[in-house]
Amino acid sequence: DGGITQSPKYLFRKEGQNVTLSCEQNLNHDAMYWYRQDPGQGLRLIYYSQIVNDFQKGDIAEGYSVSREKKESFPLTVTSAQKNPTAFYLCASSIALAAHSLYEQYFGPGTRLTVT
Amino acid sequence: DAKTTQPNSMESNEEEPVHLPCNHSTISGTDYIHWYRQLPSQGPEYVIHGLTSNVNNRMASLAIAEDRKSSTLILHRATLRDAAVYYCILRDPNSGAGSYQLTFGKGTKLSVIP
Repeated sequence: DGGITQSPKYLFRKEGQNVTLSCEQNLNHDAMYWYRQDPGQGLRLIYYSQIVNDFQKGDIAEGYSVSREKKESFPLTVTSAQKNPTAFYLCASSIALAAHSLYEQYFGPGTRLTVT
Repeated sequence: DAKTTQPNSMESNEEEPVHLPCNHSTISGTDYIHWYRQLPSQGPEYVIHGLTSNVNNRMASLAIAEDRKSSTLILHRATLRDAAVYYCILRDPNSGAGSYQLTFGKGTKLSVIP
């Protein structure tokens, strides 16, 4: 079955540590996204990537970093510079990220990160 | 950006139809109306989208008012699996960077009663 996998489902870290969240897709999608969701809130875009070796900052990129070395993979690193890292992190992908197009986004199951 | 307004919560009995409303009085002529839903502790899932005409797919129907200032997501027979938060969002393919970013509000939490 095609889809997006995120691991782990739950992650606990101590304050001051960097942590990397995994996102893999086998949908052959070009575009991938990272969102953050806080309790009772909507989604906020952290980073997005249109193609391999290219990525752009979203609305709340500070304290995060990403890489896109392979089409299938878009890992997100939450650095110690992120002031409030505890949140539900969602990875998504779409066929493409093209002007004048509104491709639906497919989401992974999410990773719930708790930093204490 | 045009905004949407949805009720915070709704209830439905199992196997009955559910009509989830969304107001978007400032919608522009090029905004598409999209619906996603999010089951508890899961990622969002695309449901349906439309521009002007009513739309049907295997999951739901979308009824769009003639003036496009409101729309209604219709689940024809609610099941327990449909209990989720439903988000109505507007997407403009001509808005450049904004066209691909999904901006979810708080949505409507649908509870399905057995």
